[in-house]
Amino acid sequence: GEQVEQRPPHLSVREGDSAVITCTYTDPNSYYFFWYKQEPGASLQLLMKVFSSTEINEGQGFTVLLNKKDKRLSLNLTAAHPGDSAAYFCAVINSGGSNYKLTFGKGTLLTVTP
Amino acid sequence: DPKIIQKPKYLVAVTGSEKILICEQYLGHNAMYWYRQSAKKPLEFMFSYSYQKLMDNQTASSRFQPQSSKKNHLDLQITALKPDDSATYFCASSQEGQGVEQYFGPGTRLTVL
Repeated sequence: GEQVEQRPPHLSVREGDSAVITCTYTDPNSYYFFWYKQEPGASLQLLMKVFSSTEINEGQGFTVLLNKKDKRLSLNLTAAHPGDSAAYFCAVINSGGSNYKLTFGKGTLLTVTP
Repeated sequence: DPKIIQKPKYLVAVTGSEKILICEQYLGHNAMYWYRQSAKKPLEFMFSYSYQKLMDNQTASSRFQPQSSKKNHLDLQITALKPDDSATYFCASSQEGQGVEQYFGPGTRLTVL
């Protein structure tokens, strides 16, 4: 089945710096990709969904890059601030398997210090 | 108002007992899911339901049984509880369709002693 590797497991940056989190996946049938944010003790908040070919999506304070050729998905928080401190998870859905099953990476715990 | 309600927020159970985790969504979605998050494993898909029918079951144990009494309800019954079942259980929902966004509830944190 699909395997999603997420790096790094922990990331500490100073306020104003950028933070980059990367996921690689194995199944070429993976078609839909998501980033979720989880604050301590809270649920998962959907940040962005991306699909199709190489694509850059910009959200509020972050950029998501998908490279299907390399099977790589990245989240770049530009000018991080302490409110960005949280766990971040990438997730993947395969078009060939269950349309419903999200396969998650193990997460990245981001700490942004003032 | 919360759109996905999970009850209870915290649950403590003894080994061998049975518990039901409640999930209700008010997003008008037709698909609902259960995921589990523990210290030992990453977020793990358990079940998906669409229009109250089981679509996918990735749970090896029959001790976990989803129950859908209404379109916007998907409860999770867990029998013969074990300490390894200790985890936070998240309910999620989405529109029906391929690769649609899934929205997560606040979770039920289960501790089995």
